[in-house]
Amino acid sequence: GIQVEQSPPDLILQEGANSTLRCNFSDSVNNLQWFHQNPWGQLINLFYIPSGTKQNGRLSATTVATERYSLLYISSSQTTDSGVYFCAVGGFSGGYNKLIFGAGTRLAVHP
Amino acid sequence: NAGVTQTPKFRVLKTGQSMTLLCAQDMNHEYMYWYRQDPGMGLRLIHYSVGEGTTAKGEVPDGYNVSRLKKQNFLLGLESAAPSQTSVYFCASSYSGHLETNYEQYFGPGTRLTVT
Repeated sequence: GIQVEQSPPDLILQEGANSTLRCNFSDSVNNLQWFHQNPWGQLINLFYIPSGTKQNGRLSATTVATERYSLLYISSSQTTDSGVYFCAVGGFSGGYNKLIFGAGTRLAVHP
Repeated sequence: NAGVTQTPKFRVLKTGQSMTLLCAQDMNHEYMYWYRQDPGMGLRLIHYSVGEGTTAKGEVPDGYNVSRLKKQNFLLGLESAAPSQTSVYFCASSYSGHLETNYEQYFGPGTRLTVT
């Protein structure tokens, strides 16, 4: 099956710093989503980005499908950005719309 | 438009008790999914449904049953809860992947279940 690898596993930032999170995957995909899980456990859908580039405020994401990786950029980080960032990839396979999650990048932003 | 909702938000069970988690979506999605998330891990698929009246096993189905009697609802049942089922449960829905170009899955807020 598809393998999803996220890096780095842990990241500590000072408020205001920028960061780049990476997601590598082992096979071609139709779906790639980035999620933020906040300290209260809520899973927030950041981007649906199987290819191309998207931006939403201080966050942007780029997926290079031909090279099987995606990047999530966080600019001017804030303490509310803390939590775990998950990349999930997949597509229609085995009769259903499959989504495989990576292990996540744990981000802590200090004031 | 509420999206995906889950009931209850929290629950504590004793070993051997049973319960049902309810997921509802108002986006007219064909596909629905139940995932579990254990500490320090990503989500893993328990069961899924490709339409009303149909269900199938995912990656970690043992100890769970599901039903999809109505298109908008997907129920997850634990017949005899075990401590290993202590987890956070997420429901999701999507359009049917093989007919639509949008494969995005929409997630509910989660249910935190503790089995003592």
